[in-house]
Amino acid sequence: GENVEQHPSTLSVQEGDSAVIKCTYSDSASNYFPWYKQELGKRPQLIIDIRSNVGEKKDQRIAVTLNKTAKHFSLHITETQPEDSAVYFCAADSGGYQKVTFGTGTKLQVIP
Amino acid sequence: SAVISQKPSRDICQRGTSLTIQCQVDSQVTMMFWYRQQPGQSLTLIATANQGSEATYESGFVIDKFPISRPNLTFSTLTVSNLSPEDSSIYLCSVGGKSYEQYFGPGTRLTVT
Repeated sequence: GENVEQHPSTLSVQEGDSAVIKCTYSDSASNYFPWYKQELGKRPQLIIDIRSNVGEKKDQRIAVTLNKTAKHFSLHITETQPEDSAVYFCAADSGGYQKVTFGTGTKLQVIP
Repeated sequence: SAVISQKPSRDICQRGTSLTIQCQVDSQVTMMFWYRQQPGQSLTLIATANQGSEATYESGFVIDKFPISRPNLTFSTLTVSNLSPEDSSIYLCSVGGKSYEQYFGPGTRLTVT
């Protein structure tokens, strides 16, 4: 089955700096890569996703890049703000099925 | 996106008992999923529940321990049976969107004493 690795496990940045979280996956048949943000005590929220026919996708301050050859994808947050502090999870679909496998999570702290 | 609710939001249960968690969606959905999230950990898929068919369980999860019902396209239940302290966790349902995305319910925090 799919295996998703995520790095780093924790990340501290100064407000206004950029943050990058990286994930690798194992199943070459995976085509869908979502990112979720989970604030403390809250449910995971889908913040952006990318499909295998696209190399990059942006939505305001967040962007995702995908390298299918290398089987890795990344989340980029620019101009970070304190409200970006949360745990971020990457995920990858299990090749042809709607279920996804989640990475281990990155706790992002934005220091004001 | 769909509005998803779960009941109960939290519960404290005795060892050996069972807890049934309900997941309600405000629109019809084909795919529903049940996850477990242990404190400070990632999300682990327990099973996929499709209406009209038996749930599909992931490795390490069995029907006797986690029976699931899916009577219609807006509702599902997960029962955690024969509770032990190791079952203390947050249980989340999610629903599948039209394009592979998933949306999560608020979760049920279970504590087993």
